[in-house]
Amino acid sequence: QKEVEQDPGPLSVPEGAIVSLNCTYSNSAFQYFMWYRQYSRKGPELLMYTYSSGNKEDGRFTAQVDKSSKYISLFIRDSQPSDSATYLCAMWGSGNTPLVFGKGTRLSVIA
Amino acid sequence: GAGVSQTPSNKVTEKGKYVELRCDPISGHTALYWYRQSLGQGPEFLIYFQGTGAADDSGLPNDRFFAVRPEGSVSTLKIQRTERGDSAVYLCASSLTDGETQYFGPGTRLLVL
Repeated sequence: QKEVEQDPGPLSVPEGAIVSLNCTYSNSAFQYFMWYRQYSRKGPELLMYTYSSGNKEDGRFTAQVDKSSKYISLFIRDSQPSDSATYLCAMWGSGNTPLVFGKGTRLSVIA
Repeated sequence: GAGVSQTPSNKVTEKGKYVELRCDPISGHTALYWYRQSLGQGPEFLIYFQGTGAADDSGLPNDRFFAVRPEGSVSTLKIQRTERGDSAVYLCASSLTDGETQYFGPGTRLLVL
């Protein structure tokens, strides 16, 4: 079992839909949770950064972390065609431990 | 300001050849990371520098892979005797210091024929 599991999709939704993206993990030492967006042939770009459990909102994006269930989510409201990309969850513990990524979920928002 | 840059953007080489991939981090960032991203996968950690020294090289797959950061800024990832399985996108990221947000470059797409 990989440390971080993420459904690779692809996920296709109509413009304006609410999108839910999820990851599960097995390492209870993870404390910092991130969502990156990666457009085709580009590097990952940080979207959301959350420490420990709880919710964080930024515009149309909401990140949720449930450490008791080892489950994290990213919600995108009012999705736009420009949101079409691969979304990667990433997490790490503390100190010098490396960032561990999920496989990424490929999202298409259809106009 | 300028982000992380990587050169070349694409590299095609033949099996058995030696390649060097370069990363220019964001100015002032002391931590630098190399990742490898295969098709349909998330980035996988290779090596991390804090300053000039490799703080963690546990992700390097074998001794054909080596990286340096001699002056604590630019880093070079070196791959000897390339194999077809080395084909991937090699991503570099930097952060202000370890534990801070990592900013990624666009990657170098390596194809080994």
